[in-house]
Amino acid sequence: DVKVTQSSRYLVKRTGEKVFLECVQDMDHENMFWYRQDPGLGLRLIYFSYDVKMKEKGDIPEGYSVSREKKERFSLILESASTSQTSMYLCASSQGHINGYTFGSGTRLTVV
Amino acid sequence: QKEVEQDPGPLSVPEGAIVSLNCTYSNSAFQYFMWYRQYSRKGPELLMYTYSSGNKEDGRFTAQVDKSSKYISLFIRDSQPSDSATYLCAMSYGQNFVFGPGTRLSVLP
Repeated sequence: DVKVTQSSRYLVKRTGEKVFLECVQDMDHENMFWYRQDPGLGLRLIYFSYDVKMKEKGDIPEGYSVSREKKERFSLILESASTSQTSMYLCASSQGHINGYTFGSGTRLTVV
Repeated sequence: QKEVEQDPGPLSVPEGAIVSLNCTYSNSAFQYFMWYRQYSRKGPELLMYTYSSGNKEDGRFTAQVDKSSKYISLFIRDSQPSDSATYLCAMSYGQNFVFGPGTRLSVLP
């Protein structure tokens, strides 16, 4: 069964901490994405990557950075966590764009 | 105007009802249309995938695309409590991929 695995289901961090969210896919997909999902706002794209060491800003990149050192791994970094970054974070991968995305189970991050 | 509009619900129906979920969009360039189902505290999972206008059926689910009206629908026949979830439409062309905000559906036993 193909998978996108996010390292943590629930995470609680303090304001100002540096936070790492990890995502690994086993489908040899080229494309990987980070979204956040908030009630009433839907899915919002933070960053994406179409290749190793490549990254592109999405719609809401402020306060975030990413790293893709290996094809299967895409990390989201919150440089200095704030309460406004409390959210559900979803990682996804795809091969091209016509077959849809495969999502991970999500990480619910709470910043206190 | 948002690129993709979807009624957020919540939509509550009795078990066995036919459910109709809809999205409208503004960009006529969209070519690929998808429906995702998201259970509470889980990531979205791809449910249906269609290309261009027409219908596609998979078991109790039918996806319908009307490109002339920029309107897509997902029909669920004989709805079950296990269908209770949030349904997100999505559409793409080239490298552009857009999700609707999702409709929350509850199927009551």
